[in-house]
Amino acid sequence: GAVVSQHPSWVICKSGTSVKIECRSLDFQATTMFWYRQFPKQSLMLMATSNEGSKATYEQGVEKDKFLINHASLTLSTLTVTSAHPEDSSFYICSADGASGNTDTQYFGPGTRLTVL
Amino acid sequence: DAKTTQPTSMDCAEGRAANLPCNHSTISGNEYVYWYRQIHSQGPQYIIHGLKNNETNEMASLIITEDRKSSTLILPHATLRDTAVYYCIVTGQGGSEKLVFGKGTKLTVNP
Repeated sequence: GAVVSQHPSWVICKSGTSVKIECRSLDFQATTMFWYRQFPKQSLMLMATSNEGSKATYEQGVEKDKFLINHASLTLSTLTVTSAHPEDSSFYICSADGASGNTDTQYFGPGTRLTVL
Repeated sequence: DAKTTQPTSMDCAEGRAANLPCNHSTISGNEYVYWYRQIHSQGPQYIIHGLKNNETNEMASLIITEDRKSSTLILPHATLRDTAVYYCIVTGQGGSEKLVFGKGTKLTVNP
């Protein structure tokens, strides 16, 4: 149990286009989901906290108009990178609150590698 | 900023116990110690967490000092598949709490 999926697993896009990444909790409901970004040889950095049915809370320095987050259901959150540029190339990882499954932890997706040309 | 400090890297022989230390001297009374690991190019995987008592599960054991200022994650019989970056994180209890990842410890298990 407690599986989180992400789609796509990797994506290559042209500069200026928008890319949507999906995060799904497959066998549990998640009131809260998180989005992280990880650059090569660096640690995960939290971008935003997403609560079902409400606006996401963004970390300092993360542009909310560039990284659009939608959490319309208890099993799906999406991150849209708008007008992507090469500096947005990174590994994007989501996690979901496993409380509905009676656990005190977050479960992470496998990540999405974004390359912007 | 992360509230924990860990060694940058460690090596362990396959089949031996791997003991990964973590310092968290500023931990608050209601904060837990969580351990996650990240195998290359994958999402982090939960390992174990605890408040003040030692904990054990099928993956590992967590030993927390009495003053709670440090802890040790123990992988009893390390395998090559345990090679990963291990993160020690101090946070409130529950999956809705923010996780602040430090640099972690790169554990290399050698044959």
